[in-house]
Amino acid sequence: EPEVTQTPSHQVTQMGQEVILRCVPISNHLYFYWYRQILGQKVEFLVSFYNNEISEKSEIFDDQFSVERPDGSNFTLKIRSTKLEDSAMYFCASSPIRTGNNEQFFGPGTRLTVL
Amino acid sequence: GDSVTQMEGPVTLSEEAFLTINCTYTATGYPSLFWYVQYPGEGLQLLLKATKADDKGSNKGFEATYRKETTSFHLEKGSVQVSDSAVYFCALIPNQAGTALIFGKGTTLSVSS
Repeated sequence: EPEVTQTPSHQVTQMGQEVILRCVPISNHLYFYWYRQILGQKVEFLVSFYNNEISEKSEIFDDQFSVERPDGSNFTLKIRSTKLEDSAMYFCASSPIRTGNNEQFFGPGTRLTVL
Repeated sequence: GDSVTQMEGPVTLSEEAFLTINCTYTATGYPSLFWYVQYPGEGLQLLLKATKADDKGSNKGFEATYRKETTSFHLEKGSVQVSDSAVYFCALIPNQAGTALIFGKGTTLSVSS
């Protein structure tokens, strides 16, 4: 069964460094998402992406964040200058269509630790 | 703003016990409601959904009914198994125009034999 994959599973970085989190969505899906979960808190929406541009983003997704689909398979989240409060589990998701009741398929997550 | 509140965990049950995980929501308009489950080491998986009032979503023995009058979407299962041990997330999409899921905090279920 096709699945969303994410790499790395765990990333440790120093404050102020740039990180890139990578995701491979399911191959025929058209909509891509990033969410994050700070330890002990809710899973929060960051951004959605369709047709090579951002379609929605939350207040969390500020200028430090960017997303890209550099080729036909990868979908990346870049954090330009990491802060301690960026430490969280980051989930990528994809879906085949865009409706309000669609299923989003999630990857296993990347745990980001900022020291 | 729109939000989801679910009962705090962890919930610890014996095999074959009845399960209820409470979920209530706040939303304008008519949201779609979801339960996602996360097994250890895996991503979130859709367990069931309901898109309008009085709809019942069901899957793998789990059920939840969309109750607009009480703004609730409680998850139930009549007889849990050890394999149901996981984290359960209640979520909503506020209206048909959006796609961003709004999640509750998650409830950890632990089932022992």
